Amino acid sequence: NAGVTQTPKFRILKIGQSMTLQCTQDMNHNYMYWYRQDPGMGLKLIYYSVGAGITDKGEVPNGYNVSRSTTEDFPLRLELAAPSQTSVYFCASSLRAITDTQYFGPGTRLTVL
Amino acid sequence: ELKVEQNPLFLSMQEGKNYTIYCNYSTTSDRLYWYRQDPGKSLESLFVLLSNGAVKQEGRLMASLDTKARLSTLHITAAVHDLSATYFCAVDMRSGGGADGLTFGKGTHLIIQP
Repeated sequence: NAGVTQTPKFRILKIGQSMTLQCTQDMNHNYMYWYRQDPGMGLKLIYYSVGAGITDKGEVPNGYNVSRSTTEDFPLRLELAAPSQTSVYFCASSLRAITDTQYFGPGTRLTVL
Repeated sequence: ELKVEQNPLFLSMQEGKNYTIYCNYSTTSDRLYWYRQDPGKSLESLFVLLSNGAVKQEGRLMASLDTKARLSTLHITAAVHDLSATYFCAVDMRSGGGADGLTFGKGTHLIIQP
């Protein structure tokens, strides 16, 4: 039982490039989330999903896209990377509603130059 | 817009001392969460508080929730070095009419010195 896994751990992008951050959970959780954490700040919700095929925007969705084709996977795509997207990205999951504990992945540290 | 404020943001304390971290939030909610983050690491869930008056304890940490005051506290008893970390509180975003996610405070960076 690996919990929530994310790849890659580190990535450097050039402005205008695109990439996909991968997130997989093996706990059969329905809810999955993407957050970003800027230095010295709390986490901000980018997108979330309440089940396969259902996604919705969080606080800061601009510049990102998501999909949820399976229960296990919730990839986050960055289109046309910008320096403002330099951050640490965390994926999380919970079994049911928000009242359940959210389990976080190890994070992806992204730098856009 | 839901706002979550923690204080202090930085705290240096000695081993053996007691201290409290405060978390205030701006809209009515009866769901509050505490997380711990070690440097360069992910977030670890500490407590989930789901009702007014909820109190939970784990080792030297105790969390409480007062929904009427919109306040949660994280109390540290007889601090030890291993508790050095950044502590975040977070509130259910739906409390502020938002998404199914959490709004986090900026975190309290806690250093415990021998």
